[in-house]
Parts: sequence; structure tokens; C-alpha cells
Amino acid sequence: EADIYQTPRYLVIGTGKKITLECSQTMGHDKMYWYQQDPGMELHLIHYSYGVNSTEKGDLSSESTVSRIRTEHFPLTLESARPSHTSQYLCASSTSDNTDTQYFGPGTRLTVL
Amino acid sequence: KNQVEQSPQSLIILEGKNCTLQCNYTVSPFSNLRWYKQDTGRGPVSLTIMTFSENTKSNGRYTATLDADTKQSSLHITASQLSDSASYICVVSDRGSTLGRLYFGRGTQLTVWP
Repeated sequence: EADIYQTPRYLVIGTGKKITLECSQTMGHDKMYWYQQDPGMELHLIHYSYGVNSTEKGDLSSESTVSRIRTEHFPLTLESARPSHTSQYLCASSTSDNTDTQYFGPGTRLTVL
Repeated sequence: KNQVEQSPQSLIILEGKNCTLQCNYTVSPFSNLRWYKQDTGRGPVSLTIMTFSENTKSNGRYTATLDADTKQSSLHITASQLSDSASYICVVSDRGSTLGRLYFGRGTQLTVWP
């Protein structure tokens, strides 16, 4: 099993709250990713990072922001949560070789009331 | 438009039976194709990865095939077990470099009944 962790696993909050989803990995991977996944749908890339101080937006527009101050840590922040943000958020990391196999965390199930 | 289509959307089989899941893609240029298993409430876990030159790859009871000419892949599960119940996701990469992009299918939801 991959050494990539996400907290919290489940979060229920009210509209307008600021939240941070934590993701950390102990594999020393340079690349890290955040995906959003709704039930029965494909994963959508919302943010990625190729290393410290590097962050890019993904294919799916998201109101969230990310930071990469340390290699092992890639938190995602929502300044003001809304019900449309209700989803599963998956963090992943990968090596820098050509296989680009991604290792996923267990996910955070976010519900905004 | 680069896409990954999987079929069937869902499948129910009895324990011990075999099944085959399909993946068709239009991603170009092609680098590699992966099958992931995603248990309910968990992140996906890689089962196999296949490059352009590989036709078949096995991982225990899982056997993946790839036809790069027709852009089709299949995942065959032999002697299914209850623990095989999960979503199986086909993922195609358009190139094996730092700029490689992944295209995800919606997955096939497999349920194995006792």
C-alpha cells in the first residue's frame, strides 16, 4: 500500500466555512496531484505540482487553492465552501520516471450543507 | 478529442466466475495504459501498466490485454472473489514525459455475489 495520507477522511461543514484538506506522502515523490471525483464519474485533475514552490491548475476549474512548501505536503484550501463543492477529493503522487504511475491517498469525502 | 470509454458501466457476477471489462480510447499520442482498482471509499490502486509494445500482462488473477492498432484494452478477471467487488478504472497516458497527461475512464462497477 502506498505511503500517502489524507485527512480528514470525512468532513461535513456549513456553507461559507474555510477548510483545508491535508495530503502528505513519505515516498519522496516530486509530483503531486489533486483530483475531484463524483459518484460514477471519472477523476478530474484540479491541481498539480512538480516540486516545491511549483503549483499549476488542472483541467477542471476549481475555486480551491494549493501550496507546496515542502516536498511531502500538498494541502488544498477552500476559502468559502459551497454545496457545489460537495465531492470526493483524491490526492496522488508519482515518481519522475516515464511510467508516471500515480499512487493515490484514501480520499476525503466532503459534504457542504 | 482524447477520450477513454469503458464498458459495461456495471456488472454483477457470481463468485468463482470469470469476467472481462472493456476499455476503448482515442488518446493520441499513446504512451501507456493502466488499469486501476478502486474500492468503495478508497483511492485507486494500480493493477497493471502496459506500453505500446505489450499485448498481454498478468497480475495474479488479473490479465490485461492491449491492441494498440484498434485502441482497445480489456481486463480479464479469473475465478472472481468477493474482494474483487470494486470499480475498475482504465487510464491512458498520452506520453511518458514530465508533461504526460492522464485520461481517466468512468470505470466499471463490478459486484461479486456469493
